[in-house]
Amino acid sequence: AQRVTQPEKLLSVFKGAPVELKCNYSYSGSPELFWYVQYSRQRLQLLLRHISRESIKGFTADLNKGETSFHLKKPFAQEEDSAMYYCALSGQAGNMLTFGGGTRLMVKP
Amino acid sequence: DTEVTQTPKHLVMGMTNKKSLKCEQHMGHRAMYWYKQKAKKPPELMFVYSYEKLSINESVPSRFSPECPNSSLLNLHLHALQPEDSALYLCASSLPGGPNTGELFFGEGSRLTVL
Repeated sequence: AQRVTQPEKLLSVFKGAPVELKCNYSYSGSPELFWYVQYSRQRLQLLLRHISRESIKGFTADLNKGETSFHLKKPFAQEEDSAMYYCALSGQAGNMLTFGGGTRLMVKP
Repeated sequence: DTEVTQTPKHLVMGMTNKKSLKCEQHMGHRAMYWYKQKAKKPPELMFVYSYEKLSINESVPSRFSPECPNSSLLNLHLHALQPEDSALYLCASSLPGGPNTGELFFGEGSRLTVL
């Protein structure tokens, strides 16, 4: 079975502060990990995926297989980063994408 | 066209009604998905179609019946639903290899209320 855990339902930071959204996963094989984001009144969309190893909108995430984690980080949060963030995992079955419970990020001015 | 379009946006139905949700994409994606999302919860996978064939059914009750008439369309037929089925139903599509090949593109959802 595959499982994704996001321990924080809500994370509130001030503009310019660093932010880290935690994600831990459980999967026996080699997973593919993703972060999806949903801004207010917009559809759910991909933010980044671990195999690309790229920075999107200043966000990065590193897969740590030893700690089974895929935390999302940004050094300086912006107000427009306020949104719902979902960590997601896809296993060997390919088509199954399992979401974590989500973390709402609020960036205060 | 890089969007997934879902209709209707809102649907209210009684427990004895029969209705359908529709989803359309023209990105050439050959994998399409139905997810169910309750308030303040993550999306939960219901069905996956790959090359117009049902490949995953996450033990969804038979009162939900998916259909993929062609590579661009995905329907979800609803019959004898219960009030607890009220939720946001999300459609998504991706390249045929699924999320490991490319991102999932989501529609805005159809908000269903069962009275």
